[in-house]
Amino acid sequence: EDQVTQSPEALRLQEGESSSLNCSYTVSGLRGLFWYRQDPGKGPEFLFTLYSAGEEKEKERLKATLTKKESFLHITAPKPEDSATYLCAVQARQAGTALIFGKGTTLSVSS
Amino acid sequence: ETGVTQSPTHLIKTRGQQVTLRCSSQSGHNTVSWYQQALGQGPQFIFQYYREEENGRGNFPPRFSGLQFPNYSSELNVNALELDDSALYLCASSLGLNTGELFFGEGSRLTVL
Repeated sequence: EDQVTQSPEALRLQEGESSSLNCSYTVSGLRGLFWYRQDPGKGPEFLFTLYSAGEEKEKERLKATLTKKESFLHITAPKPEDSATYLCAVQARQAGTALIFGKGTTLSVSS
Repeated sequence: ETGVTQSPTHLIKTRGQQVTLRCSSQSGHNTVSWYQQALGQGPQFIFQYYREEENGRGNFPPRFSGLQFPNYSSELNVNALELDDSALYLCASSLGLNTGELFFGEGSRLTVL
């Protein structure tokens, strides 16, 4: 069964304190892995797509990496505006177009 | 360029009733997907529409149905509502099939009493 597990469930950081979020996945043929950000009461907002092990993508203070079994979202020197729930999703070759999401990691950054 | 818009934003129904949720796609997008997000959970795929045809369905019963119109807007219909249907229903549009880069609306929050 294809599935995505994210850890930790919640993470509290001080402004400027770098950390990483983990996304472990099992999928029958990975088509792509995706990171989204979701603010309270809003829909998810697309951040990154990763297709193959070793690939990395960066955007401002965020950097996503991919191995054959997991992905990391590294947050460097976070600011309070980075507070949100970060969702990881995979798309399996045999599952058509559906995205399989994890439960997310809720990040709180205090000043 | 307008984004994905959904209506209504909030609604309350009672068990056994029927509900219709509406979605307007982002300009130029021809594919619409619907997801259900229960509290504290990640979104779960319901189905996808491409050029007015259903193109993939998740593990949801037939009382969840949908439509896509020629202007690519879409509806999600749920019959015989159950308490467990209480959730945030998210519509997402995309350009073409098989892309995981989805543009989500803000959702319709459904409460079933």
